[in-house]
Amino acid sequence: DIQMTQSPSSLSAFVGDRVIITCRASQSISNYLHWYQQRPGKAPKLLISAASGLQSGVPPRFSGSGSGTDFTLTINGLQPEDFATYYCQQSYNTLYTFGQGTSLEIK
Amino acid sequence: QVQLVQSGSEVKNPGASVRVSCRPSEYTFTDYYIHWVRQAPGQGLEWMGWIDPKSGATKSTQKFQGRVTMTRDTSISTVYMELSRLTSDDTAVYYCGRDVYGPFDYWGQGTLVTVSS
Repeated sequence: DIQMTQSPSSLSAFVGDRVIITCRASQSISNYLHWYQQRPGKAPKLLISAASGLQSGVPPRFSGSGSGTDFTLTINGLQPEDFATYYCQQSYNTLYTFGQGTSLEIK
Repeated sequence: QVQLVQSGSEVKNPGASVRVSCRPSEYTFTDYYIHWVRQAPGQGLEWMGWIDPKSGATKSTQKFQGRVTMTRDTSISTVYMELSRLTSDDTAVYYCGRDVYGPFDYWGQGTLVTVSS
């Protein structure tokens, strides 16, 4: 299976900050990389598909980039509702995998 | 509005099996694969496998092979995930998600499965 490694595992930031979360694949996955946000007690929400495709209704302060093995999720101008856990997920082959998650907390 | 509605919480004894259902609505049932993802308390998301509602073909990660069975009933547009030989490590919220050629754009509300004697 393709392993997905996110960093950092947790992150503290202020409202208004810019944060970057990284996701690294154990082999090249082209752009078959997607990002989710999960709030406590809720199902994950798709933010970005195919590395950089912002989903309808997701604020433009969220952006994604990368290809191959290294990917980033950037949040510009953190808002209170952005404090949540973020996951990357690969769909390069028929066996999907998630990263371990990045918990974003208010400083 | 697309929805995936899952069955309710379950409490099972160790060694038992559990079956969770997922009923998509407001789109053609056979158009998209459905995946199963679980989340143990305080832990991350763990992908389990998928089913093609059109053909019934399935695939699961090696960790669950031999213990997980995914099926569908096209007459009632419902998919099922059955996990056998439960242990306390299987206590988790189980989600179904619709696969739009890679990402999951809609998710069920989650089904809590508690394994306890």
